[in-house]
Amino acid sequence: DTAVSQTPKYLVTQMGNDKSIKCEQNLGHDTMYWYKQDSKKFLKIMFSYNNKELIINETVPNRFSPKSPDKAHLNLHINSLELGDSAVYFCASSQGAPAYEQYFGPGTRLTVT
Amino acid sequence: DQQVKQNSPSLSVQEGRISILNCDYTNSMFDYFLWYKKYPAEGPTFLISISSIKDKNEDGRFTVFLNKSAKHLSLHIVPSQPGDSAVYFCAASAQGAQKLVFGQGTRLTINP
Repeated sequence: DTAVSQTPKYLVTQMGNDKSIKCEQNLGHDTMYWYKQDSKKFLKIMFSYNNKELIINETVPNRFSPKSPDKAHLNLHINSLELGDSAVYFCASSQGAPAYEQYFGPGTRLTVT
Repeated sequence: DQQVKQNSPSLSVQEGRISILNCDYTNSMFDYFLWYKKYPAEGPTFLISISSIKDKNEDGRFTVFLNKSAKHLSLHIVPSQPGDSAVYFCAASAQGAQKLVFGQGTRLTINP
C-alpha cells in the first residue's frame, strides 16, 4: 500500500494550458503539503493544509490553486502554465503541527514546452 | 535567500568508510533539524533529527551533530553501505513556523 500517492508521475504540456496534479494519503494524517523542487534542487514549500484548512501559503503565483476536498486529498491546479513552472512537485503529509517527520509522495515531473 | 545550504553537491565514499555530509544554516530561530534521504524516482524519506537543545543524536549507523555557534550540522554514516547511495537533504524548522526549510541536497555515492 502506497502511503502518499501522486498522479500523474509525469506531465508534459504546452504553455498556457491548465493542469492538475492529484495527491492522496492513506496514513490518516491531518496535514498535507505541496513542495516544488526547482532547477537548483531546493525543495520549497508552496502550500500546507491542516484538516482541509489552508495554513501555509508561500509566495506562489495565484495561478496555483490547491484544493483539499477532504483530509486525505490535496490537489494542485495550475492555470496558464509557464515555462518556469517546469519542476518536480512533491506532495507530503504529516500528523500534527509543527510537523517534522513528513511523508512524501514520489513526485510529479512537470515539463512545460 | 537560502537559509539552509548544503555546499557539497556530491560526495563519493568507499564502502565501509565514514560518510560525512554537511549543512549550514543562517536563521538563528531554527530549533529543529532533520535529514531526509531520497532515492531516484521516489520522494524524500525521514532519516534522523535533532533538537537544538542537543548537540548529538545517534540512530544505528547514523549520527547527527549540531554546532549551534557555527550554525552547522553534519550527518555521519558509519560504516557506509552501497544502499546508502542517495541524495541527502538537510532541513530545519523554527518554533511555531509549521514548515520545513530544505537545503538543495548532497548526492552520496558509496563505491564498492
